[in-house]
Amino acid sequence: NAGVTQTPKFQVLKTGQSMTLQCAQDMNHEYMSWYRQDPGMGLRLIHYSVGAGITDQGEVPNGYNVSRSTTEDFPLRLLSAAPSQTSVYFCASTPRRDRGSSPLHFGNGTRLTVT
Amino acid sequence: AQSVTQLGSHVSVSEGALVLLRCNYSSSVPPYLFWYVQYPNQGLQLLLKYTTGATLVKGINGFEAEFKKSETSFHLTKPSAHMSDAAEYFCAVNGAGGTSYGKLTFGQGTILTVHP
Repeated sequence: NAGVTQTPKFQVLKTGQSMTLQCAQDMNHEYMSWYRQDPGMGLRLIHYSVGAGITDQGEVPNGYNVSRSTTEDFPLRLLSAAPSQTSVYFCASTPRRDRGSSPLHFGNGTRLTVT
Repeated sequence: AQSVTQLGSHVSVSEGALVLLRCNYSSSVPPYLFWYVQYPNQGLQLLLKYTTGATLVKGINGFEAEFKKSETSFHLTKPSAHMSDAAEYFCAVNGAGGTSYGKLTFGQGTILTVHP
């Protein structure tokens, strides 16, 4: 059981480049989300999905785009990278059945540097 | 809206001493509360959670937390610190109702240092 898998683990981009961070889960979880982690700020929600075809914005959505075409995959796209997007990105999933009492299952993160 | 405040961005204790990491939350509905631990260069691992029922919650690695509704607190404790407890700890609250499930709000994190 792989859980939540994120790729790549590390990435360096130049300002203005675009890229996609991949996230896949094999637990058939309905809810998936993307967080960014910055020192002293904890984790902040970027985008969120409650199921295939449904996405919603989180606290810090600007500069990011998501789609959810399948239950398993939830990619995060950076349209035009900026130095302010240098961060560690975590994907997470959780099942709907427990109505919020289930914890999030996290991937191991992607460390992104934008120069 | 909900929020989480962790008091103290850095906590330092001696090995064998009590660990106390403070967390206060704000929520307009009964909350689900979580503590996660993050070891260097790793993802987040669940320590424990409070949903309903018993207010004293026991987790992994000897940690426990007490939910105090009157104080809107969910402090994390461990009677005797080990060197292996050195990590960053995050308190989080879950939204309630509809599509809020799974949208955790995190505190700023507390880095725990354990001295020999």
